[in-house]
Amino acid sequence: DTAVSQTPKYLVTQMGNDKSIKCEQNLGHDTMYWYKQDSKKFLKIMFSYNNKELIINETVPNRFSPKSPDKAHLNLHINSLELGDSAVYFCASSLKRSGGNWNEQYFGPGTRLTVT
Amino acid sequence: GIQVEQSPPDLILQEGANSTLRCNFSDSVNNLQWFHQNPWGQLINLFYIPSGTKQNGRLSATTVATERYSLLYISSSQTTDSGVYFCAVEAPFGNEKLTFGTGTRLTIIP
Repeated sequence: DTAVSQTPKYLVTQMGNDKSIKCEQNLGHDTMYWYKQDSKKFLKIMFSYNNKELIINETVPNRFSPKSPDKAHLNLHINSLELGDSAVYFCASSLKRSGGNWNEQYFGPGTRLTVT
Repeated sequence: GIQVEQSPPDLILQEGANSTLRCNFSDSVNNLQWFHQNPWGQLINLFYIPSGTKQNGRLSATTVATERYSLLYISSSQTTDSGVYFCAVEAPFGNEKLTFGTGTRLTIIP
């Protein structure tokens, strides 16, 4: 009954490779996000999708391409991996609603990417 | 964009002590959330609190939106409270993205 899940949990790969991270939520939310946490623990938004439509793209290199096949899934594909891409990538989801908790975000367990 | 500052950056306490973590933000907010990142890296939702006061067991939070700050109180600390506490805010017209503070690293010593 996991709310927001990500696969894989760990990813070790070499420079120049292409890799994907998958995210799924079963909360019935309509908005999904990718955040990046660097080695100093700083968390920053990368992308956001609402109902499969891209609404945030925060100056991320175009080697990173998100894809949302449906409202419950948001995947992140990374081409030509670089050493600086090493980080923990978190997926999150939320539901916009007119009452109650506007846009409260719930996070997945993270994917630790190590590029060697 | 909106700025979020957290203090103190580090806090080391004995088990059983109480603590107060602070989050200052530079603009009005639609959303403010407190998270605990445990030693395994998981981000756990603690509070959704753009204004007012909430309590959940030994934890409570207060946000004074007009003065642009939020406080997280932890009472009778336990070793399982160790980790990094993040405050994150969403500014109006911010496209629903959360801007995170730099966190407070809390270490509880047995």
